[in-house]
This record gives sequence, structure tokens and C-alpha cells, in this order.
Amino acid sequence: AQSVTQLDSQVPVFEEAPVELRCNYSSSVSVYLFWYVQYPNQGLQLLLKYLSGSTLVKGINGFEAEFNKSQTSFHLRKPSVHISDTAEYFCAVSDDDFGNEKLTFGTGTRLTIIP
Amino acid sequence: SAVISQKPSRDICQRGTSLTIQCQVDSQVTMMFWYRQQPGQSLTLIATANQGSEATYESGFVIDKFPISRPNLTFSTLTVSNMSPEDSSIYLCSVGGQGKKLFFGSGTQLSVL
Repeated sequence: AQSVTQLDSQVPVFEEAPVELRCNYSSSVSVYLFWYVQYPNQGLQLLLKYLSGSTLVKGINGFEAEFNKSQTSFHLRKPSVHISDTAEYFCAVSDDDFGNEKLTFGTGTRLTIIP
Repeated sequence: SAVISQKPSRDICQRGTSLTIQCQVDSQVTMMFWYRQQPGQSLTLIATANQGSEATYESGFVIDKFPISRPNLTFSTLTVSNMSPEDSSIYLCSVGGQGKKLFFGSGTQLSVL
């Protein structure tokens, strides 16, 4: 069985400062990893994903994440945040089964940008 | 990409009643997924709905409590039956896309009194 741990439930960051949102996973098989963002009163949208290849993945809005197999981590980073980045961020994992689109989500990290 | 319309966006219901949530997609999709997002918790998959067959429910969810319809390739409904305050959650419809990407509706925020 897969699981995802997001240790930080809330992360306050000053505007233009860097941020890292942590995600660790457990799985007995190879995985696909995702970060989704949920802006206030909106549905989830995909920020970025790791399927294979380069372990450094770049996504939308200047976010990137690095897959680290030995540490079973997929931390999300942005070098300089903006007010508009205030949202809930979810890490998710899917097992390596092409066509299986079921995801296991973490509990989410609420990112608050302080002006 | 897929555009998903979900309604109602929110509702307040009385204990013991039922609510049906609708999900409309702007393209034909094979699988549709229903998730629940309880306050302060992660998204949990309720069931997978395939057109023309019975929905497949995840552990802890049963058809009598969460009946699902999937009459065609662009539409699905989820009913939350005999509601109790513990059913207060956000319910999300999603569909799969290329590259294992999921598209989500904006959700239905349900409060049960």
C-alpha cells in the first residue's frame, strides 16, 4: 500500500522569500509523483509530476520538485514566492501501473504568503 | 485538457436526507473518479465510475451510502444518502488525462446539520 506524508500542515513565508514544501512517500513499487495546488474556492490543478527521467521536474508558476528515491522524497520548491501562491498544496502518489489513475494524497500543506 | 462542471458548489442539508452531486465533463472520458476531502484531511477516493458498469468502491465506502450513476461518457452523479454530520466534506469529481494527469471539478462543499 502507498502512503504520502506532508509533515508541514501550514507554512507561512514572506513574499519574495524561497519556500520548500516537504513530501515523503512509501511504496513497495515504482511510483509516479505529483503536486497539486488548490487555490481558495477552486478545484485542484496539477503543478507538476514525475513519471520518469530527470529527477528535477519543473512545473507551472515557477515551482519545481526533485525526486529522491533513496530518501523517498519529492519536495516542492520555489525560489521566490508571490502573494498569488497562497493556496493549499497536495502531494500525491500513484503506483507504476500504466492506466491506473487512482492517486493517494497527502494531507496537504497550506502555504500563506506574508506581504 | 478537460473542463469539469460540478454542482451544486455548496449545500447545507438536514440529517437523514440525501444529496445528489452532478459532474459534467466537456469531453468523453472512460473513467471518472469521486473523491472526498474531509476538513483538515487529505483527499480520499470514494469510487471509480466506468460508463456501462457498476462503480468500483474503495475500502470503507459502500454503494448503499454513496450510489453512483454513469449514464454516458460525459456525466456522472454521486448521491450521499441518509446524511449525518460526519458526511460534511468537500466532494470532488475528477477525470483522467494523458500522462496520468487528473483534472478536478471545483468541488461540492457539503454541510450536514
